[in-house]
Amino acid sequence: NAGVTQTPKFQVLKTGQSMTLQCAQDMNHNSMYWYRQDPGMGLRLIYYSASEGTTDKGEVPNGYNVSRLNKREFSLRLESAAPSQTSVYFCASSEPGSGREYFGPGTRLTVT
Amino acid sequence: AQSVAQPEDQVNVAEGNPLTVKCTYSVSGNPYLFWYVQYPNRGLQFLLKYITGDNLVKGSYGFEAEFNKSQTSFHLKKPSALVSDSALYFCVPKGSNDYKLSFGAGTTVTVRA
Repeated sequence: NAGVTQTPKFQVLKTGQSMTLQCAQDMNHNSMYWYRQDPGMGLRLIYYSASEGTTDKGEVPNGYNVSRLNKREFSLRLESAAPSQTSVYFCASSEPGSGREYFGPGTRLTVT
Repeated sequence: AQSVAQPEDQVNVAEGNPLTVKCTYSVSGNPYLFWYVQYPNRGLQFLLKYITGDNLVKGSYGFEAEFNKSQTSFHLKKPSALVSDSALYFCVPKGSNDYKLSFGAGTTVTVRA
């Protein structure tokens, strides 16, 4: 099992550019999540998907969109990147029952 | 609603000494409690969880945590710290009816040789 995979690992964008962060899990989990991590602020939830076909906003959804393509894949799109979106982005999926989350390795995004 | 408090931003200990990282929480309903660790420039790794049962939970890398319902605490402990334990530690609560975990800023642990 690869667990949770994310691409790309690193990305530099100019203000106004768009991009999609990809996430996939092979653990047959129903729920998937996108977080951003900024220094001193822990992880903040951007969007989540409780099951295939559903998505909901988290704490900081502005400037982002998501697609739950199928049970395995959950992508995060930045339509018009801003410097405030410079962050490390983590995708996660959760285990039924306890809700333990499994995290991907992260994508380090810099917007100049 | 759920929240977490880790009162110490930083914990510094000498290698071989006991390590404790404090955590108090607030959740609706029965708590599910997790500890995660993040090594520099890495993703988050699961250490241990409490859902029900024995209040003392043992996890990965020699860590354990004790659930105390009356004090709403879930402190992380390791009897003898290693330099390789230096990392950012997150105590993460979840209510049994909640859909998501709640992360605070975490506690940075530095173990000096």
